[in-house]
Amino acid sequence: EPEVTQTPSHQVTQMGQEVILRCVPISNHLYFYWYRQILGQKVEFLVSFYNNEISEKSEIFDDQFSVERPDGSNFTLKIRSTKLEDSAMYFCASRTGATGNTIYFGEGSWLTVV
Amino acid sequence: SQKIEQNSEALNIQEGKTATLTCNYTNYSPAYLQWYRQDPGRGPVFLLLIRENEKEKRKERLKVTFDTTLKQSLFHITASQPADSATYLCALDTGRRALTFGSGTRLQVQP
Repeated sequence: EPEVTQTPSHQVTQMGQEVILRCVPISNHLYFYWYRQILGQKVEFLVSFYNNEISEKSEIFDDQFSVERPDGSNFTLKIRSTKLEDSAMYFCASRTGATGNTIYFGEGSWLTVV
Repeated sequence: SQKIEQNSEALNIQEGKTATLTCNYTNYSPAYLQWYRQDPGRGPVFLLLIRENEKEKRKERLKVTFDTTLKQSLFHITASQPADSATYLCALDTGRRALTFGSGTRLQVQP
């Protein structure tokens, strides 16, 4: 079964450093998402991406965050200057169509900011 | 703002019994509602999707109901097994945000 792959699985970074989390969505999918889950809390929406542009972002997704689809297969989340509160599991997800289609999640990238 | 509540943080049942998990929502009328399973340290895995015009959906031992009048979905696992132990997430399919998740119910099936 096709799957969403994410790298790295775990990254430890110093506060203030830039981090790039990478995702390869399922190949025929058109809608891409990033979510995050702080330990013990619910899965929260960050950003959705369609047709090479952001279609919606949450209040969490401030100017420190950016997303890119540089080469038609990878989908990246960049955090420009990490803060302690950015420590969380970050999930990439994708689906073929908009509302009503199954969304497939990757296994996540666990980010620890120290 | 939209609110999704999964009534139990944790549910413990005996193997072979039926587990019933509840999801209630307010301030929204979703056309779709989805249920996911999440194991510790792993990503959510899709289980079932139900549309607003469907009252019930089944897949093997799983059953989901969707009552748009009560704004509630029930998720049932029949003949539960210890391998069903996980956190189960209810999510509203909200279009451009894709999914808005509840906080989940942690199910523990005792052998």
